[in-house]
Amino acid sequence: DVVMTQTPVSLSVSLGGQVSISCRSSQSLVHNNGNTYLSWYLQKPGQSPQLLIYKVSNRFSGISDRFSGSGSGTDFTLKISRVEPDDLGVYYCGQGTQYPLTFGSGTKLEIK
Amino acid sequence: EVQLVESGGGLVKPGSSLKLSCVASGFTFSSYGMHWIRQAPKKGLEWIALIYYDSSNKYYADSVKGRFTISRDNSKNTLYLEMNSLRSEDTAMYYCATYGLDYWGQGVMVTVSS
Repeated sequence: DVVMTQTPVSLSVSLGGQVSISCRSSQSLVHNNGNTYLSWYLQKPGQSPQLLIYKVSNRFSGISDRFSGSGSGTDFTLKISRVEPDDLGVYYCGQGTQYPLTFGSGTKLEIK
Repeated sequence: EVQLVESGGGLVKPGSSLKLSCVASGFTFSSYGMHWIRQAPKKGLEWIALIYYDSSNKYYADSVKGRFTISRDNSKNTLYLEMNSLRSEDTAMYYCATYGLDYWGQGVMVTVSS
């Protein structure tokens, strides 16, 4: 199975600030078809996860351009700029390149 | 608007069975594969099963293989998860999600305890 390692475990940021979350996979996430199936999700308190970014850097419908994804191969990053109160929650990376699908252990974002 | 609504959870004893349902609306259910994903209390996300749009293929996590069965009824826009031989470690919130994990239900809680 592909192991997804997320860092840091938690982050505290001031409103308006910027943060980066790292996600590393134990194997390359480049699929045979050339796509890289790395996604980012946000789980707000008491809610189900919601998709933010898919295929490394594509924002899902309705997602603010304050969220950006980058990376390749085994190393990926989610950046959140101009942090707002509604951004708090747990961020997960997840891979869809091979089954079983696997997720990182999460990064909790707190607002200072 | 895409909606996924799970039901069928509850408190059951170890060794029991339970069947979860997920009713879909707002998209052409019969055209998309669907997943079940679970989250144990205070823990991360664990993918457990996928079914293709036409039920032609099904995939399971090793942790549930042989005990859980994913199925669907496209005429009812409904996804199912039949869970047998339940264990305490199956205690979790269970989510259904669309193939790209772009839409998730609100989840249904399953508690396995004596």
